[in-house]
Amino acid sequence: RKEVEQDPGPFNVPEGATVAFNCTYSNSASQSFFWYRQDCRKEPKLLMSVYSSGNEDGRFTAQLNRASQYISLLIRDSKLSDSATYLCVVNIRSKLSFGAGTTVTVRA
Amino acid sequence: DARVTQTPRDKVTEMGQEVTMRCQPILGHNTVFWYRQTMMQGLELLAYFRNRAPLDDSGMPKDRFSAEMPDATLATLKIQPSEPRDSAVYFCASGLRTDTQYFGPGTRLTVL
Repeated sequence: RKEVEQDPGPFNVPEGATVAFNCTYSNSASQSFFWYRQDCRKEPKLLMSVYSSGNEDGRFTAQLNRASQYISLLIRDSKLSDSATYLCVVNIRSKLSFGAGTTVTVRA
Repeated sequence: DARVTQTPRDKVTEMGQEVTMRCQPILGHNTVFWYRQTMMQGLELLAYFRNRAPLDDSGMPKDRFSAEMPDATLATLKIQPSEPRDSAVYFCASGLRTDTQYFGPGTRLTVL
C-alpha cells in the first residue's frame, strides 16, 4: 500500500468553478502536510502547507483530518492558470512522501 | 531570485554508459535531496544530505547508483552502468529543513 494515495483525476472544470479533491495517508506518525503543484514538464513547487485548523491562501483552501488521515484541497473561482497536477505530500520521519498527483484542467 | 540548478537538462545515452548528473543547491541551504520521477512510480526519494553528510540513501539502488557532495555548492548523482529502466526525470531539491524544499528543473534521462 502506498503511503500517500490520490485520485489521479483528471478533473475537467470550467473557468470560475470550484474543484475539490482529497488524498489519504497511511502512516499515523506523519508530522506535517503539504500541497505541491507541478506543471507539465516542470519541477514541483510548494503551493501551501496544511494545518489541522485548516488554512486558506487566496482561492485555495486546505484541510487536514488527522483522525481519518486525509487531506483536502479546494480551489475556488478556478482560473486557466490553475491547470496543473497537484501533489499531496506528507513528512514522515523527516522525509517527504509524494502522492502520484491529481490532474486538474480548467477550460475556458 | 535564488534557484537550484541542474545539469544536464536532458541526457540521452546508451545502456551500459556512465551518467553523471550535477546539482547546485541554493546558497546557504544545508539539505540536498535527490528524487526520481516516472509515470509508473511517481516521485521517489533516492537520497539526501545534510551539511554534506549522507543521511539516507535507502531509496537508491546501491549496486549502480552513487550520490556525493564534494562541497557545499555541488551534489552529484552517478549511475554506472546505466540501464533502460533508469530512464526518468531526476530532480535535485535543497532547503534548510525537510519541510521546505526548492526543486531544480530536473535532468531528463533516456537510456536506450
